Amino acid sequence: EVQLVESGGGLVRPGGSLRLSCAVSGFTYSSYSMNWVRQIPGKGLEWVSSISYSGDTIYYADSLKGRFTISRDNAGNSLYLYLNSLRVEDTAVYYCGRTKSSSGGIDFWGQGTLVTVSS
Amino acid sequence: SYVLTQPPSVSVAPGETATITCGGNNIGSTGVHWYQQKSGQAPVMVMYLDSDRPSGIPERFSGSNSGNTATLTISGVEAGDEADYYCQVWDRSSDHVLFGGGTKLTVL
Repeated sequence: EVQLVESGGGLVRPGGSLRLSCAVSGFTYSSYSMNWVRQIPGKGLEWVSSISYSGDTIYYADSLKGRFTISRDNAGNSLYLYLNSLRVEDTAVYYCGRTKSSSGGIDFWGQGTLVTVSS
Repeated sequence: SYVLTQPPSVSVAPGETATITCGGNNIGSTGVHWYQQKSGQAPVMVMYLDSDRPSGIPERFSGSNSGNTATLTISGVEAGDEADYYCQVWDRSSDHVLFGGGTKLTVL
């Protein structure tokens, strides 16, 4: 069974940093591209970043580039998102998701982890 | 930048057919994916590459994509289909994942 479990969310002050983790199981992690998608409470889905299966190719949403960093550990079956210089408007549920092979869609999602940026 | 446009809401009676559209410039030339998100839950893929259903998705769900509009159709709508639905593409010009704004499906 494919499973993705995010962790690392919580309350952080504006300007602070956080590392989100996504632990995966049930599939050959090193063969799949992965994604982070966020959702501000009450709003729609917003793509954050994608990383290729090897980690060699990385994409970011333009509005977030420079503050967020995606990485992966294929040996440890984990995906990460480093959030820096956090702003109140970064408050959201952050989901990790697996890219469905050769389709570009996201076929499995984690349950999400809530990041709250507040003073 | 490329924009995907969805109607904010669609309402249908149980047993009727719901049609949710996703508009984009020449969207028919790229693959569209659809997600269902029920209240308080993570999204679930219900359609990929325009018209392919992932395993476990009922045949009541179908999709099409042509010209400037992609469409998700739900036949014989049930109360359990009430959710937000999002379309998504990979924008090759920017190497970005793009989501539509979402459509809230209400079952009357």
